[in-house]
Amino acid sequence: NAGVTQTPKFQVLKTGQSMTLQCAQDMNHEYMSWYRQDPGMGLRLIHYSVGAGITDQGEVPNGYNVSRSTTEDFPLRLLSAAPSQTSVYFCASSRTSGGNEQFFGPGTRLTVL
Amino acid sequence: KNQVEQSPQSLIILEGKNCTLQCNYTVSPFSNLRWYKQDTGRGPVSLTIMTFSENTKSNGRYTATLDADTKQSSLHITASQLSDSASYICVVSAGDFGNEKLTFGTGTRLTIIP
Repeated sequence: NAGVTQTPKFQVLKTGQSMTLQCAQDMNHEYMSWYRQDPGMGLRLIHYSVGAGITDQGEVPNGYNVSRSTTEDFPLRLLSAAPSQTSVYFCASSRTSGGNEQFFGPGTRLTVL
Repeated sequence: KNQVEQSPQSLIILEGKNCTLQCNYTVSPFSNLRWYKQDTGRGPVSLTIMTFSENTKSNGRYTATLDADTKQSSLHITASQLSDSASYICVVSAGDFGNEKLTFGTGTRLTIIP
């Protein structure tokens, strides 16, 4: 049982480049979400999904896209990277939305130059 | 607006000593409150989850308390160990069942020194 996995662990991009952050979970959780963590701020929700085929915006969705074609995978796409997107990104999953324990991945540290 | 405030921002204590971290929240309607431990370079890991009716919950040397009337929670760490050095994040879940949203505190950075 690997839990929540994320790749890559580190990434450096140039402004304007695009990339996809991968997230997968093997716990058959319906709810998955993406957060970014910046110094001095709490984790902020980017996008979330309550099940395969269903996604919705969180608190800070601009500049990011998501899709959920399977229960296991929830990739996060940066369309045109900007320095303001330099952050640490965490994927999380839980059985349902908020009432259950959330399991976090190890994070992806992204730097946009 | 839902808010979660934690204090202190950082704390340094000697190994073996006890400490208490504080969390005040303003959310509605309250669903549950969680404490997470986040080691440097890692994702948060859940320590406790408490609902409205729970006053105290323990996980080994970690004991969380919840006062729903004053909207305060604390995390008490007993007999601290070097491995307790981490950030501790208070998270409050609010909203109707099935539509809860999480509000994260900014965390308390705890450093245990030998």
